[in-house]
Amino acid sequence: AQSVAQPEDQVNVAEGNPLTVKCTYSVSGNPYLFWYVQYPNRGLQFLLKYITGDNLVKGSYGFEAEFNKSQTSFHLKKPSALVSDSALYFCAVKVDTGRRALTFGSGTRLQVQP
Amino acid sequence: DARVTQTPRHKVTEMGQEVTMRCQPILGHNTVFWYRQTMMQGLELLAYFRNRAPLDDSGMPKDRFSAEMPDATLATLKIQPSEPRDSAVYFCASGLTTGTSGSSQFFGPGTRLTVL
Repeated sequence: AQSVAQPEDQVNVAEGNPLTVKCTYSVSGNPYLFWYVQYPNRGLQFLLKYITGDNLVKGSYGFEAEFNKSQTSFHLKKPSALVSDSALYFCAVKVDTGRRALTFGSGTRLQVQP
Repeated sequence: DARVTQTPRHKVTEMGQEVTMRCQPILGHNTVFWYRQTMMQGLELLAYFRNRAPLDDSGMPKDRFSAEMPDATLATLKIQPSEPRDSAVYFCASGLTTGTSGSSQFFGPGTRLTVL
């Protein structure tokens, strides 16, 4: 079984401040973890992924995420938010064995205020 | 610039009509996914193909929905007959997967379906 939870429907942050979008997961095995972003009226775009190795993963547009196995979390972070970062962010997980496709979270809307 | 294409981008139809959505995956990708996105349900996986074979279509209502890959360059999602509750944005995504590795998925722009 695999599932992912994004506990916040919306995150508000001022431009220039650091941002965090939370994600926790549950899998029976080792996880592959992903973050995607969706801008209005667009499809999802890949941001970054964790497969193995360094727990801190760097991705597109200055985003990074930290894999924490003990807390089963994969929070998305950025040191300094931009207004253009305002979008819908999805966390996704799949187990590293078998044929399962990704399971997506419910999404978190990030609003960056000028 | 390789990208996933979907047609049509918008479709408005009346209840009971057949709807066919098409997707052209990125050349060379061996996995294709169909998702449905609504405000209420979020992003739901409908079907998943690898090397044109369906691996998982458990998320798809079998009585009215069908997904196929006639060839490696075309994936189709059909709804017959359509119902108002099918109104949603339907996304196709493709990726390159070897073994069980976690490939990134590339999403198309979506088909916005409205069933009246």
